[in-house]
Amino acid sequence: DTGVSQDPRHKITKRGQNVTFRCDPISEHNRLYWYRQTLGQGPEFLTYFQNEAQLEKSRLLSDRFSAERPKGSFSTLEIQRTEQGDSAMYLCASSLEGGGANVLTFGAGSRLTVL
Amino acid sequence: GEDVEQSLFLSVREGDSSVINCTYTDSSSTYLYWYKQEPGAGLQLLTYIFSNMDMKQDQRLTVLLNKKDKHLSLRIADTQTGDSAIYFCAESYNDYKLSFGAGTTVTVRA
Repeated sequence: DTGVSQDPRHKITKRGQNVTFRCDPISEHNRLYWYRQTLGQGPEFLTYFQNEAQLEKSRLLSDRFSAERPKGSFSTLEIQRTEQGDSAMYLCASSLEGGGANVLTFGAGSRLTVL
Repeated sequence: GEDVEQSLFLSVREGDSSVINCTYTDSSSTYLYWYKQEPGAGLQLLTYIFSNMDMKQDQRLTVLLNKKDKHLSLRIADTQTGDSAIYFCAESYNDYKLSFGAGTTVTVRA
């Protein structure tokens, strides 16, 4: 397994356009998370899935954002009608549910620039 | 509450020890974590500590937890140039969500 993969690594778009990011988690991990990281800040939780079910959404996730994990494997994060404030690094992580510490493995991120 | 604070910058000479500090507000935190982020890369878990522990050592890394003061620190012994990175402290009070600090940028000088 090559870890958590994210695609694309960089996306530049014009305001108002839609963008979609893809995340392929570690295959045996049943949990998948999306975080957002802006410059000079730590990652902020957006949402997470357990298998195909989306169990929690942050209030940061406006109705322009939608995330899916249709078969409990890869996930997509779509942003509609992008705004300049959406410019950030979008990080995906995965983990195996279980007792104890929640050990997240992060991907390298997808950097979005909205012009 | 979910508020994790860290000092923003640390400069250390190669071979010295680095100490990165973090304070958190949620007394119900169960685990506390340290992640490392290098340029262009995702976050890499360095270590974590359960909230009923005071200390955890893992090779060059030592984590100290003062639960009373809600203070966490990470000590890196014999700091090397490869340790230059941003270090994030994070807390969790449930089994799925981590709250991160803004990160401490560590610069190792020769």
